Amino acid sequence: AQSVTQPDIHITVSEGASLELRCNYSYGATPYLFWYVQSPGQGLQLLLKYFSGDTLVQGIKGFEAEFKRSQSSFNLRKPSVHWSDAAEYFCAVGVDSNYQLIWGAGTKLIIKP
Amino acid sequence: EAEVAQSPRYKITEKSQAVAFWCDPISGHATLYWYRQILGQGPELLVQFQDESVVDDSQLPKDRFSAERLKGVDSTLKIQPAELGDSAMYLCASSLSNEQYFGPGTRLTVT
Repeated sequence: AQSVTQPDIHITVSEGASLELRCNYSYGATPYLFWYVQSPGQGLQLLLKYFSGDTLVQGIKGFEAEFKRSQSSFNLRKPSVHWSDAAEYFCAVGVDSNYQLIWGAGTKLIIKP
Repeated sequence: EAEVAQSPRYKITEKSQAVAFWCDPISGHATLYWYRQILGQGPELLVQFQDESVVDDSQLPKDRFSAERLKGVDSTLKIQPAELGDSAMYLCASSLSNEQYFGPGTRLTVT
């Protein structure tokens, strides 16, 4: 069955430090991959997506993610985090022609001043 | 920039009462999704519409939940009767193709 795993429930990073959030998926074919961000009490905003082509994708707010087929991973990175990046981050996989998404449980990012 | 609208933003209701949520998708988006998100978890799809037709409602608890999109534009999700376990964020999203745009959600608290 298709699934998405975000191994880290929460991560604490100092402001200005680099960030990597992990995402692993289980899916038989090449998936569509997404990262969304959710601020407290808000809806979800798309950070970036991968459909095909270059496996390193750039998104908004200085984020990037790399698709690694051999590892079934799509990790999100940012070279230098800002306090405003504190939020919950969700990885999702699009698995069928209806573009339904399978979601990870999310990783809460905490920024230390 | 066009946005998905949802109302109300917050709703407190007593168990056994009826509650309804409204969603207005981005103009021209044929696909509309309703999700439930429990605190600390990812969204769970409840129902997907393509225009006015239901594409998938396999995860919708049909004994108490109903959803409609009569004219293929805005949509209503109803719960009757509400139960304590229904306390969650209810998110609406719309899409034109493969990218979903989310509204701000409705936070439901059942007491």
